[in-house]
Amino acid sequence: DAGVTQSPTHLIKTRGQQVTLRCSPKSGHDTVSWYQQALGQGPQFIFQYYEEEERQRGNFPDRFSGHQFPNYSSELNVNALLLGDSALYLCASSGTTTSRQFFGPGTRLTVL
Amino acid sequence: SQQGEEDPQALSIQEGKNATMNCSYKTSINNLQWYRQNSGRGLVHLILIRSNEREKHSGRLRVTLDTSKKSSSLLITASRAADTASYFCATDPIQGAQKLVFGQGTRLTINP
Repeated sequence: DAGVTQSPTHLIKTRGQQVTLRCSPKSGHDTVSWYQQALGQGPQFIFQYYEEEERQRGNFPDRFSGHQFPNYSSELNVNALLLGDSALYLCASSGTTTSRQFFGPGTRLTVL
Repeated sequence: SQQGEEDPQALSIQEGKNATMNCSYKTSINNLQWYRQNSGRGLVHLILIRSNEREKHSGRLRVTLDTSKKSSSLLITASRAADTASYFCATDPIQGAQKLVFGQGTRLTINP
């Protein structure tokens, strides 16, 4: 049983560009959450998707958007990249009956 | 913004000794979870304690929760070199739906 997978592992972009990160949830999970973790900090909640809709959102600008597909996989899009967007982006999946979230290995985004 | 604060921010102990990390939070919670992260990789779930529980054990881990003080502690007994990692507490607020709020973490180093 595969756990949560994320792609790509690493990504380098320049300021102003756009990026798309991908996440496949653990088998049987229908909820996907995205977190941003800056260096030396704890993860911060970006948003959560359930039934292909954004269910909750953290304190992130509209440049951060997402999508969930019918197979429950999800994408995180960031437009107009800033240097401060450099971080580890973590995807977590969960089922509707449990509070426990399973995290993927993350995507390391570097903005130059 | 971060909900919790871990204390200490960094901890270095000798292999075989016990390690204790503390976490404080601000709002009411549904549950509190502890995660481990190795070298900026994905988060590994260690233990979940619900708001109506006071203590929980899992192998060498012991977690306590004091909701009146809004604090939790994680004890790792008989530490090993492989326990070297960053440890985060995360709260699941009652009003949230699996929206974890993380502290800044404790960096634990186990010395041989």
